[in-house]
Amino acid sequence: LVLTQSPGILSLSPGERATLSCRASQSVSNYLAWYQQKPGQAPRLLIHGASTRAAGVPDRFSGSGSGTDFTLTISRLEPEDFVVYYCQQYDSSLYTFGQGTKLDFK
Amino acid sequence: QVHLVESGGGVVQPGTSLRLSCAVSGFNFNSYGMHWVRQAPGKGLEWVAVTSYDGNVKYYADSVKGRFTVSRDRSKNTLYLLMNSLRAEDTAVYYCAKEGNIVATVPGCPDSWGQGTLVTVSS
Repeated sequence: LVLTQSPGILSLSPGERATLSCRASQSVSNYLAWYQQKPGQAPRLLIHGASTRAAGVPDRFSGSGSGTDFTLTISRLEPEDFVVYYCQQYDSSLYTFGQGTKLDFK
Repeated sequence: QVHLVESGGGVVQPGTSLRLSCAVSGFNFNSYGMHWVRQAPGKGLEWVAVTSYDGNVKYYADSVKGRFTVSRDRSKNTLYLLMNSLRAEDTAVYYCAKEGNIVATVPGCPDSWGQGTLVTVSS
């Protein structure tokens, strides 16, 4: 089961809307999570169950999708959002991660 | 407050063994599954292993199956990862992480992470 994230790098400006994609090679139902990782830090859970925001996560982050196609949307980018994002599936016994999407300043 | 602290990393030679520990506090360790996830320098996240809350279910990534063993000591609130036959490609920061579903037969995704411990496999 392979997760493919796109794009690899997304160049935007603060205040813009970001749309990150994660596609699974087979259905994972809604067993899909999104993580944010800042340089030198451990990952932080943003979204689980494809669309449920984790505790303390700002409401500008939202997740959608089911089956094989998933999206993480950041409605209005803040400067601290320009880091790396990973999706992970937990439908199968191999808890695969995607390769990551890096948000860059335009 | 959930707290996870990994230890045991270091520099080791190929073919040798190493045991990582993850001491936890701030939650009922005996009610949650636990993961190990690693990240090679400059690379993405790679899931390694998971154990259910009771230790009855354990899954491993294909890249470590047969070489790594995950275990937990309920009396010490500690998770372990025994790594045998280490290879250069096992070089990474190893994170332990708590899953989010209480008393789950099949563990869910990680929701809290430690800061990681670096393992370097080099001759």
